[in-house]
Amino acid sequence: SQKIEQNSEALNIQEGKTATLTCNYTNYSPAYLQWYRQDPGRGPVFLLLIRENEKEKRKERLKVTFDTTLKQSLFHITASQPADSATYLCALDGNNRLAFGKGNQVVVIP
Amino acid sequence: IAGITQAPTSQILAAGRRMTLRCTQDMRHNAMYWYRQDLGLGLRLIHYSNTAGTTGKGEVPDGYSVSRANTDDFPLTLASAVPSQTSVYFCASSDRDYNEQFFGPGTRLTVL
Repeated sequence: SQKIEQNSEALNIQEGKTATLTCNYTNYSPAYLQWYRQDPGRGPVFLLLIRENEKEKRKERLKVTFDTTLKQSLFHITASQPADSATYLCALDGNNRLAFGKGNQVVVIP
Repeated sequence: IAGITQAPTSQILAAGRRMTLRCTQDMRHNAMYWYRQDLGLGLRLIHYSNTAGTTGKGEVPDGYSVSRANTDDFPLTLASAVPSQTSVYFCASSDRDYNEQFFGPGTRLTVL
């Protein structure tokens, strides 16, 4: 069956450190993968899109990698700040629609 | 306004009642989507529309219907609400299929 797996346990990280989140998928062959941020009580907000032929994408303090052999994407927040505390969702194209992971919460401790 | 609006913000509904959740976007996006988000299950697609006049079923369409009479509006109707439809509902749009999606603020629905 098709799966998109993100760590269900919250990631607690000290301010200034790099937070790394993992998104693994099974039985998908996505042409691209997206990452979203969601704050409590709000809708998800798009952050980054990376295509299958791109190894890495950066946007300010964010970096995403995409390894189609490992079927995995890594999402990094460098120099993390308390304002980065949120839930981060990965999403990929599957069955002609965007399929979302369940999200991984990040808590940045001052 | 710029973006997507949803109404109502929250609603408590008796089981068996009919309810329409409203969604309007002003970005002239072709594609629109309805998701529900439940704890432990993540975002699941209910229905989608690639362009005005067309709709399609997502992962969990049973008990829901949609229409897309124009580009801007994409209402979601629960014909006869059941408690399992208690959830947070998000509407989203994109300028074409697979591009970044813009989400509304959500509607928190409780069916008793």
